[in-house]
Parts: sequence; C-alpha cells; structure tokens
Amino acid sequence: NAGVTQTPKFRILKIGQSMTLQCTQDMNHNYMYWYRQDPGMGLKLIYYSVGAGITDKGEVPNGYNVSRSTTEDFPLRLELAAPSQTSVYFCASSTTDRGGGYEQYFGPGTRLTVT
Amino acid sequence: DAKTTQPTSMDCAEGRAANLPCNHSTISGNEYVYWYRQIHSQGPQYIIHGLKNNETNEMASLIITEDRKSSTLILPHATLRDTAVYYCIVRVAGTGNQFYFGTGTSLTVIP
Repeated sequence: NAGVTQTPKFRILKIGQSMTLQCTQDMNHNYMYWYRQDPGMGLKLIYYSVGAGITDKGEVPNGYNVSRSTTEDFPLRLELAAPSQTSVYFCASSTTDRGGGYEQYFGPGTRLTVT
Repeated sequence: DAKTTQPTSMDCAEGRAANLPCNHSTISGNEYVYWYRQIHSQGPQYIIHGLKNNETNEMASLIITEDRKSSTLILPHATLRDTAVYYCIVRVAGTGNQFYFGTGTSLTVIP
C-alpha cells in the first residue's frame, strides 16, 4: 500500500505558466482533497471531491481547477501561475471510519515556486 | 465549523508527558474534536479524534471536558520524534469531510 502519492516533489514555474499537480491514492477512498500551506501558516482547503465525477470548492479555490474521473486520481490544475501560488500543496484522502469521524491520509506534498 | 484556540508554542522534557490544550468554546453538539500533527513540512498525520468521551490509542490520549468547550491531547512519554506542530480541529461529520486547519501548537521536545 503506497497510500497517497504526489508528483512532482518540487517545481519552479514562471509567471503565467500552467501545470498539473498529480495525486493518486490506492486505498479505494471516496473522498479526496487538495490543501495549500504557505510558510508558517496552517493548511487551507482548495478543492475536495466526495467521489468520481463530483468536486466542490474549499476556502481558496481561485486560480485552480480540479477533476475526478477515477476513484484513484485527483489532479489539481494551475492556470496562469502567479507568485501568490507559491506554496506547498498537499493532497489527502479519507473514508468513513467508526463513530462517524473521518481520518484523512496526507501525501508528502509538492513544493511549488512561481517566479 | 467551530474555531479553535491553541497556544503558539510549548516545550516538553523528553520522557515526560506532553499536555497540549485546545479551546473550542463554540463547539456544537455534533462536532467532533480531531488532532493532527505535522513533522517538519511533511504531510499532516492523524493522531486521534473524539466526540464526548475520552479516547486513547497507541499514540495519545484525548481528554474532552464535560461541557466540551476544551480538550487536551496527552502524549504520555514524549520523545524527540514528537517535535512537531499539533493541530486541534473541530468539525461536523458528513459535511464533505473538509478540515479547517489553524496555525496549531509548535511542540518542542527537549533532551
């Protein structure tokens, strides 16, 4: 079980470029999420998905797009990269556990710099 | 989802119990308390969660006050590897599973 994997680990983009951050999970979880973490700050939710074909916005969705065509994959697309998108991006997945709570499993993160 | 208040930083001697407090005075009856930690820029790691009763697992114990307005995460025998940022989160089950992370408590375990 690899858990949640993310690629690439690091990336430098020029302003205005686009890229896709990949996220894959092999735990058959229905729910997947994208967060960003700016230096010294907590995580902020960008987008989430409750199943294949269903996505919804989180706290900070502007400048990003997502799709969920399979249970395993949840790519995050950055269009027209801006310096404000310099951050560490974490993907996570979860399913229902006992007692109504939900444990989220996180990937190792992608460190993105936009210059 | 209710907001939480945590101290910015704490120290703990290695081998001693680390007690991390969290205030969630506006918590609703159907909101769970979760704890996660993040070790040096890695992805956050789930520790424990609870609704009303105290909970214990192999990593930690969670003590929730009777009025549920605050809780304490206890690491019974802190090691250097427990140095991390600890996040206390409250959320309602079934709301699309979003977690709203604050800035957490930076715990330093001192040799």
